[in-house]
Amino acid sequence: GQSLEQPSEVTAVEGAIVQINCTYQTSGFYGLSWYQQHDGGAPTFLSYNALDGLEETGRFSSFLSRSDSYGYLLLQELQMKDSASYFCVRRGFQKLVFGTGTRLLVSP
Amino acid sequence: DGGITQSPKYLFRKEGQNVTLSCEQNLNHDAMYWYRQDPGQGLRLIYYSQIVNDFQKGDIAEGYSVSREKKESFPLTVTSAQKNPTAFYLCASSTGTAETQYFGPGTRLLVL
Repeated sequence: GQSLEQPSEVTAVEGAIVQINCTYQTSGFYGLSWYQQHDGGAPTFLSYNALDGLEETGRFSSFLSRSDSYGYLLLQELQMKDSASYFCVRRGFQKLVFGTGTRLLVSP
Repeated sequence: DGGITQSPKYLFRKEGQNVTLSCEQNLNHDAMYWYRQDPGQGLRLIYYSQIVNDFQKGDIAEGYSVSREKKESFPLTVTSAQKNPTAFYLCASSTGTAETQYFGPGTRLLVL
């Protein structure tokens, strides 16, 4: 199978830290990506993990554990502009499979 | 500036009509993709192409057709066989490894 599971919605306040978890099925798994999509906009690439461990890019970090079929996206120092949907994306051979997305609502 | 363009931004289809959505990229990417997104949902793959003159069906290809005559262009036709075409359509491109996909701004298709 190719399904991914992530929470449907997460809420947090400005300045806080939030973690969005993702579990995936392992058949044909190459790596895990995260994309951000604001309402009405196109998805934009945030990060990609092919190997176990933590990848850090500014305020965003992504983690992968292949043995647990699990990853997460960590967002620090939350800002209002971080309110968006975040998609966990499984990379297979030649194509990507998107999860259903986690809607992050950041309040003042 | 390099990027992906999609046109039109909004498209209206009448019953029984075929419509074509345009996607052009100047990133020199070999691979191009078409996705459909319904409200509150993730993206579902319609068709993809790894090289000119070749393409493969994705997860929801029924009622759609594509062509890849040029590296820069990957138009999608929504045929009358697609009974529920109202959605947000997104085109993307990548290098052959597909680690990172770059998306166009999307086309919203509505049925009259």
